[in-house]
Amino acid sequence: DVKVTQSSRYLVKRTGEKVFLECVQDMDHENMFWYRQDPGLGLRLIYFSYDVKMKEKGDIPEGYSVSREKKERFSLILESASTNQTSMYLCASSLRARGPKPQHFGDGTRLSIL
Amino acid sequence: GESVGLHLPTLSVQEGDNSIINCAYSNSASDYFIWYKQESGKGPQFIIDIRSNMDKRQGQRVTVLLNKTVKHLSLQIAATQPGDSAVYFCAENIRGSSNTGKLIFGQGTTLQVKP
Repeated sequence: DVKVTQSSRYLVKRTGEKVFLECVQDMDHENMFWYRQDPGLGLRLIYFSYDVKMKEKGDIPEGYSVSREKKERFSLILESASTNQTSMYLCASSLRARGPKPQHFGDGTRLSIL
Repeated sequence: GESVGLHLPTLSVQEGDNSIINCAYSNSASDYFIWYKQESGKGPQFIIDIRSNMDKRQGQRVTVLLNKTVKHLSLQIAATQPGDSAVYFCAENIRGSSNTGKLIFGQGTTLQVKP
């Protein structure tokens, strides 16, 4: 079974702090994704990566950056946390293949910015 | 029980009944569809997928139906159990984006199972 592990289930940070969210997958997947999930807004894609050191902006990249130094690890960085970044953050990974494949998700990090 | 499109976000069914959760998609270039289940406090979990060259696919107690003519996807759960209570999302992949693996997600339907 694919396992996507997010380093923290709950995190509380202060406005202006630099915040790191870590995600590790154990299935050698090429593609990795960061989403935020808010009530009424569904899943929104922040950034994704289709290979080591490669990254592309999703639908809501403002205020975030990412790092993919190793294939198994994809980090989301909040450069200067703000209260409107309080949310559930979900990491996912998928295999890059000739045809489309499902994404597999971690259990999320619930981040509160005070 | 039956939900009619995304404007009905909650579906309540009796334990043992069959559930039907619906999803409409708008892009005729979508060629792959997935249903996810998300329980409280957990990430979305893959249930079943279907490619656009199929109309129907069955899993354990679940069936996905695809109607490309009206761009409609449904998830049928047989003999619904309390453990099926969750939010269910549909997701689609647009042809040509498979290398990046990007998916477009629906808003989700909450399934409540009454004992």
